[in-house]
Amino acid sequence: DGGITQSPKYLFRKEGQNVTLSCEQNLNHDAMYWYRQDPGQGLRLIYYSQIVNDFQKGDIAEGYSVSREKKESFPLTVTSAQKNPTAFYLCASSIEGDAYEQYFGPGTRLTVT
Amino acid sequence: AQKVTQAQTEISVVEKEDVTLDCVYETRDTTYYLFWYKQPPSGELVFLIRRNSFDEQNEISGRYSWNFQKSTSSFNFTITASQVVDSAVYFCALSEGRNNDMRFGAGTRLTVKP
Repeated sequence: DGGITQSPKYLFRKEGQNVTLSCEQNLNHDAMYWYRQDPGQGLRLIYYSQIVNDFQKGDIAEGYSVSREKKESFPLTVTSAQKNPTAFYLCASSIEGDAYEQYFGPGTRLTVT
Repeated sequence: AQKVTQAQTEISVVEKEDVTLDCVYETRDTTYYLFWYKQPPSGELVFLIRRNSFDEQNEISGRYSWNFQKSTSSFNFTITASQVVDSAVYFCALSEGRNNDMRFGAGTRLTVKP
């Protein structure tokens, strides 16, 4: 089955710790995205990548970092610099760019206390 | 910058009722793309439809239909004979086809009661 996997589904961390969220896709898509969703709100773009070894900041990149060493993988690190990290994080991919529909993973709910 | 407005925060209907979810967008481009996604309680967004700005033909897929009207900058979504499984948050999104420009509305939470 082709799709996007994110792990884990739920993640708990203490304040001050960095945490990495996994995102893997086997759809052979070039573009990958990370979004943050807060309760009752839409999606906000954190980072995106159109090609391996290249990525760009989205609207709310501060306190986050990413890497794109392989086409299939786009991990997101939530650093201790992120002031309010508790949220639902969604990874997505698309064939090429924003003119095309994005396919989403199941999400990771991060709770930092 | 482009913008998407979903004025209906929450809608509640009884099963078998028809329901329309509104989406109004703003863009200065003549070429753009509109999308609808469904987010069930599990959390994963599911792609429903993509429409480009040059195709104003309405679309029907089973109980789902979409009404695209450029004159009013709207891309509304209707569910006919709603079912409990339709309960979800529905997002409308707009892209002008450039990098990093997909914009989502705030979503409409639909609850279908038995």
